[in-house]
Formats: sequence, structure tokens, C-alpha cells
Amino acid sequence: EDQVTQSPEALRLQEGESSSLNCSYTVSGLRGLFWYRQDPGKGPEFLFTLYSAGEEKEKERLKATLTKKESFLHITAPKPEDSATYLCAATKAAGNKLTFGGGTRVLVKP
Amino acid sequence: ETGVTQSPTHLIKTRGQQVTLRCSSQSGHNTVSWYQQALGQGPQFIFQYYREEENGRGNFPPRFSGLQFPNYSSELNVNALELDDSALYLCASSLVGNNEQFFGPGTRLTVL
Repeated sequence: EDQVTQSPEALRLQEGESSSLNCSYTVSGLRGLFWYRQDPGKGPEFLFTLYSAGEEKEKERLKATLTKKESFLHITAPKPEDSATYLCAATKAAGNKLTFGGGTRVLVKP
Repeated sequence: ETGVTQSPTHLIKTRGQQVTLRCSSQSGHNTVSWYQQALGQGPQFIFQYYREEENGRGNFPPRFSGLQFPNYSSELNVNALELDDSALYLCASSLVGNNEQFFGPGTRLTVL
């Protein structure tokens, strides 16, 4: 059965304290690995898609990387506005379902 | 460009009732997926619609059903509501053949 697991469940950071979020996946025939940001009570906001091992993508203070078994979301010098839940998801075929992890709740304190 | 919209924002129902949730796709997108997100958990795939037909279904009972209309908007219907159906219901649109799905703001359903 396809499975996506995120760790840690929660992360408290001081402003400027860099850290990494982990997403491990067991998905045969991975088509794409996705990262989303979700603010409380709102829908997930698309951040990145990664397709192959070794691929990296960056957006402002966020950088996502992919290996054959896991993906990392690195947050460099975070600011309080980076506080959110970060969701990782995997898909096996184009346009098909996303299998999500449980998310990592990130709180950045000033 | 118009993003994904959902209505209503919030809904309160009692056990045994039926509910219909609505979703308008992002402009140009022809595929709609529905997800259920319980509090503190990641979204769970319910089903996907393409060309007005169901195109994949998750582990949800038949009392969860849907429709897609010619303008690509969609409805999620849930019959015989149970307490565990209380959740945030998310709609996501995409282009067929493209993995990237874009989500609406969700409908918060509370079943009492």
C-alpha cells in the first residue's frame, strides 16, 4: 500500500533558525512528489513538484530536494510568516490521486 | 485567472441528513478531485472526475458521490451523514495529464 510519512509532526523555530522537514514515501512507480503549504482553516497552497531523484527546487526561503526514498523541505532563516503546516504528497500517475502525509506544523517565533 | 472556489464556507448538519458541496475549477482546468481532511491530519482522496465521469476513487463508501458538469464545476454529495464525516472538504482542479493540483479554500462540515 502506498504510504507517505512526514516528520517531525511539529517544529518550533526561532526566527532565523534554519531547519529541515522530512517526507519519506513508499510508492511504487512514483510519478511526482509535491509540497504544499496550508494555513489554518484554508486549502493547501502549491509550492513545488519534484519528479526525479536529485532534483531540487527553490522558492524564497524554501528549498525542496528528492531522493529515491524521501524528500526534504529546507527552510533557511525562517520568518514568522513561514509558520504553517507543510504537507507532502505523492502521485503514481498523471492526474491521479495525491497520497498525503500527515503534515509538519511549523511555528516560527520572533 | 480565477482560482478554485468552493461553497458554502461552513455547514452544520445533523446525523442522517444529506449534504451537497460545490466547487468551481480554476479557469482552463478539466479535472476535479475531492479530498476529506480531518482535523490534524493530511487530506484523504475521495474521488476524481474527468469528462463528467468518475476517474478514480479512494476508500470511501458509496454514500459519497459526485458530479462534474460540462463547465467542469463539480458537486460532492454525502448521504446519511455520520459524526465522523465532520471534516474540511477540499476540491482541487488540474489539467488531465498534469500532476499539479490546485486547491480551493475548502468547506468545513460539522455533523452533530
